Amino acid sequence: QVQLQESGPGLVKPSETLSLTCAVSGSSISSGYYWGWIRQPPGKGLEWIGSISHSGSTYYNPSLKSRVTISVDTSKNQFSLRLSSVTAADTAGYYCARDPTYNYASGGNWFDPWGQGTLVTVSS
Amino acid sequence: QSVLTQPPSASGTPGQRVTISCSGSSSNIGSNTVNWYQQLPGTAPQLLIYSNNQRPSGVPDRFSGSKSGTSASLAISGLQSEDEADYYCAAWDDSLNGHWVFGGGTKLTVL
Repeated sequence: QVQLQESGPGLVKPSETLSLTCAVSGSSISSGYYWGWIRQPPGKGLEWIGSISHSGSTYYNPSLKSRVTISVDTSKNQFSLRLSSVTAADTAGYYCARDPTYNYASGGNWFDPWGQGTLVTVSS
Repeated sequence: QSVLTQPPSASGTPGQRVTISCSGSSSNIGSNTVNWYQQLPGTAPQLLIYSNNQRPSGVPDRFSGSKSGTSASLAISGLQSEDEADYYCAAWDDSLNGHWVFGGGTKLTVL
């Protein structure tokens, strides 16, 4: 079955760039669908960050769009998140997940499965 | 402030039926389907209900979803202790080029 695994630094300094990667196994990213990032501040709710298609088409949360870049590497079967100019408010658990949608122009479907998540703390 | 509105908490005793509401607007729930996610303590969210009322394989039929207009509901019947978790609704929002929105989450306590 499809499995996703997040990886990246657990500590990032304020004003720097947060970088995470999601490795996909059990399915080829090139086969289609969208692949997303969702975050959850400690003790708080879920917030969608953005999603990317296998061909590189991206959709971002309007409130984060100016700081977010999501990219895909089909050769490594993984996709990545970069969030620039981070502050303490970006401290959160970061999850990657698959959205079985072929075209976001018609709207997304759902997120399933999810990775186990990785905690990123922004602190000097 | 989440785009979709959920009660912060809900509770019930074993065997009871509990419902959790999710209120949105014409650009999200009113135009698109609703999904529900269950997050057990210390774990990642899992898809619980998709397309308003569909259960993924493995989800007990004690869980059901419904949608009417710009609101949706999750019902859990025959409440069990292992249902104690956080529940989130989500929907695609057609505004601003399209984006996902989530509810703030409801913490379900089994008394």
